[in-house]
Amino acid sequence: GEDVEQSLFLSVREGDSSVINCTYTDSSSTYLYWYKQEPGAGLQLLTYIFSNMDMKQDQRLTVLLNKKDKHLSLRIADTQTGDSAIYFCAESMGKGMNRDDKIIFGKGTRLHILP
Amino acid sequence: NAGVTQTPKFRVLKTGQSMTLLCAQDMNHEYMYWYRQDPGMGLRLIHYSVGEGTTAKGEVPDGYNVSRLKKQNFLLGLESAAPSQTSVYFCASQSSWGRITDTQYFGPGTRLTVL
Repeated sequence: GEDVEQSLFLSVREGDSSVINCTYTDSSSTYLYWYKQEPGAGLQLLTYIFSNMDMKQDQRLTVLLNKKDKHLSLRIADTQTGDSAIYFCAESMGKGMNRDDKIIFGKGTRLHILP
Repeated sequence: NAGVTQTPKFRVLKTGQSMTLLCAQDMNHEYMYWYRQDPGMGLRLIHYSVGEGTTAKGEVPDGYNVSRLKKQNFLLGLESAAPSQTSVYFCASQSSWGRITDTQYFGPGTRLTVL
């Protein structure tokens, strides 16, 4: 079945890089997403990558996709205290146009920043 | 436990019609959220609630109203549907914030088409 897996917890020192990893099972996934949830708030889309891309960079964020291994990672450079949040990985097969299109979420990785 | 359920799963409306989407959770969660997902855009937060009797606006609240009269239910209303509200709507719930096991649990989604 379809599944998205992430480790539950990551602890990083302020100023270091954070790398959050995710694996998914559906090889037909078209879009892969990273969301951020801050305390008391909903999910915020950070970035997404199409399945035909290997890497996407956006300021401090770098997304790497290894389609062969079905592995997605999010690297946050120069991690700050404001990066403390839960990060969700998600995949979807289609563009939302078809009846069976759906988005599958991981359970989230809690990023804890050490001083 | 049923987890998070949404009713209905699919609906087609004409412009100007109204409808209510129901989200129910049996996990005694405090936080509940309504999102919409549009092709290639990921989730956007419409409204959320931090407890029974409370509601708050999210990123895209216009054209929607919500109510949380009972802790287990979170209703999303469209008073006068517009084609721009064609989307897939996801409900989510979360027990609290601050523990390592806290995460959002998502419903299966409601696909709404407005003609």
